[in-house]
Amino acid sequence: DSGVTQTPKHLITATGQRVTLRCSPRSGDLSVYWYQQSLDQGLQFLIHYYNGEERAKGNILERFSAQQFPDLHSELNLSSLELGDSALYFCASSVAGYRDTQYFGPGTRLTVL
Amino acid sequence: AQTVTQSQPEMSVQEAETVTLSCTYDTSESDYYLFWYKQPPSRQMILVIRQEAYKQQNATENRFSVNFQKAAKSFSLKISDSQLGDAAMYFCAYRSGETSGSRLTFGEGTQLTVNP
Repeated sequence: DSGVTQTPKHLITATGQRVTLRCSPRSGDLSVYWYQQSLDQGLQFLIHYYNGEERAKGNILERFSAQQFPDLHSELNLSSLELGDSALYFCASSVAGYRDTQYFGPGTRLTVL
Repeated sequence: AQTVTQSQPEMSVQEAETVTLSCTYDTSESDYYLFWYKQPPSRQMILVIRQEAYKQQNATENRFSVNFQKAAKSFSLKISDSQLGDAAMYFCAYRSGETSGSRLTFGEGTQLTVNP
């Protein structure tokens, strides 16, 4: 158990819908990262937040957004869902920034029908 | 941009034997970190081992060790005394040591099968 929690574990929804994935980092960690794992794209970095502020963006679609709250938990919002958004979404956390090891949560499996 | 390549989509090993997984990367940076993560059927991403580029000594964690060849940009993982629980997808990952380098860049993965 990495200490990073993600909810829900599984999510099934329809095209065009909007969902919110939630992540709680390890106690004491200030950084949260979101990654997407799909069959065709592999593991891709989406976005990084540090202590409530966005620090880096990867290949994140405009339909996707994220935020980190004062209690340091983070939410990834996915809207206007398409079939291709079906994937495993991971949250990872680290103590601070670029020199720290990232520890991953168990992931949220999103299925868009 | 940095790239990570794992040229072995699948590998197999007999229980108690030793196996080596290959990884190469491309970067122009001198300060960076390399990682091996394991993803068992549960899909959880588990850190196996970490190597700092500035360290000449190869990292080891129990039965897991790396062969870090900085000039060749090679970072292989050796698993000794393989166990059934080692069966998983293994990902090699790169992370920049610069202030802007927060993301992990992953290879395609190597599926390891351990035969009893």
